[in-house]
Amino acid sequence: NAGVTQTPKFRILKIGQSMTLQCTQDMNHNYMYWYRQDPGMGLKLIYYSVGAGITDKGEVPNGYNVSRSTTEDFPLRLELAAPSQTSVYFCASSPITGITDTQYFGPGTRLTVL
Amino acid sequence: RKEVEQDPGPFNVPEGATVAFNCTYSNSASQSFFWYRQDCRKEPKLLMSVYSSGNEDGRFTAQLNRASQYISLLIRDSKLSDSATYLCVVTPSGSARQLTFGSGTQLTVLP
Repeated sequence: NAGVTQTPKFRILKIGQSMTLQCTQDMNHNYMYWYRQDPGMGLKLIYYSVGAGITDKGEVPNGYNVSRSTTEDFPLRLELAAPSQTSVYFCASSPITGITDTQYFGPGTRLTVL
Repeated sequence: RKEVEQDPGPFNVPEGATVAFNCTYSNSASQSFFWYRQDCRKEPKLLMSVYSSGNEDGRFTAQLNRASQYISLLIRDSKLSDSATYLCVVTPSGSARQLTFGSGTQLTVLP
């Protein structure tokens, strides 16, 4: 199992550009999440999904969009990049069963908007 | 008030020392509690869940006090490899398994 994979690892965008951050998991988890982590801060939830075709906003959704067409993939779209979106982005997944709510994280995408 | 508050540190301790981290949470209806570990420039990884009765995993002991809305993590016999940021994490009630993260406490174990 590769677990949760994210691409790209690093990206520099200019203000106003768009991009899609890819996230794939091979653990057949129903729940998937996108977080951002600013320097010295905890993770903040951007969007989450409880299954294919179902997505919902987290704490900081503005400027982002998501889709969930398959169980495995949960891409995050930035439409008009702004310097405030400079951050590290983590994707995570969690199984629907179990009581521990463990989330498994991908290695992250470091995004800089200039 | 932040939902999850932690002392940011840094904590610099010698090898073999015992160190304790504290965390408070604001939502009294929170259901699940965890400590995650995050190495520099890496993703968070689950260290341990925290149960009401307290739980231990080797050198690590976690405690939960629901009345005071307080979580703790004790590390005994610190190793160099324990150097990391420790994130206190809480699941609010009815949250579709969403996690709320503290900002983390940075630990450096010195030789």
